[in-house]
Amino acid sequence: AQSVAQPEDQVNVAEGNPLTVKCTYSVSGNPYLFWYVQYPNRGLQFLLKYITGDNLVKGSYGFEAEFNKSQTSFHLKKPSALVSDSALYFCAVRDSQTGANNLFFGTGTRLTVIP
Amino acid sequence: EAGVAQSPRYKIIEKRQSVAFWCNPISGHATLYWYQQILGQGPKLLIQFQNNGVVDDSQLPKDRFSAERLKGVDSTLKIQPAKLEDSAVYLCASSLQGANGELFFGEGSRLTVL
Repeated sequence: AQSVAQPEDQVNVAEGNPLTVKCTYSVSGNPYLFWYVQYPNRGLQFLLKYITGDNLVKGSYGFEAEFNKSQTSFHLKKPSALVSDSALYFCAVRDSQTGANNLFFGTGTRLTVIP
Repeated sequence: EAGVAQSPRYKIIEKRQSVAFWCNPISGHATLYWYQQILGQGPKLLIQFQNNGVVDDSQLPKDRFSAERLKGVDSTLKIQPAKLEDSAVYLCASSLQGANGELFFGEGSRLTVL
């Protein structure tokens, strides 16, 4: 069985400060990991993914995430937050052993960047 | 490039009524997904199609939900009869066949059951 935990419902950060949104996962095989962002009344937008290779992956809008196998984590980071980054962020996982390409999502973390 | 199109954007119905949602995926995307997103929760997969065949419908409440993708392009999701707990946003997504998880989502159809 696969699962994703986003331990923080809400993260507040001042504009210009670094931000981190946490995610831990559980899968049977090797994980494929993803971050999606959801703006109000919009669908989810893909930010970045880890499939294999370098543990640090870079994505859209200056976001990056680090895969840590020993801690089963995939935290989302950005060096300097913008007010426009305020949105709902979802971590998702797919077990590489499953044939279906569907994703299992966490419950989301609402990021608020304070001007 | 046109994105995933969904309609209607909003729907309000009484319990026990029926409702249908439509989705047109990105051209060339063989895989289509329907997710249910209840307020405060992450999206949950209801059904996944590969062309016009069902890959996974294990989480679809088949006593009231049905979905089809007859020609392997657009899809409809139907709920009959609706229950209060079906109030949610229904998200359609598509991806290239074999893609490693990069799904493209529509804006969703928000259902309110009274």
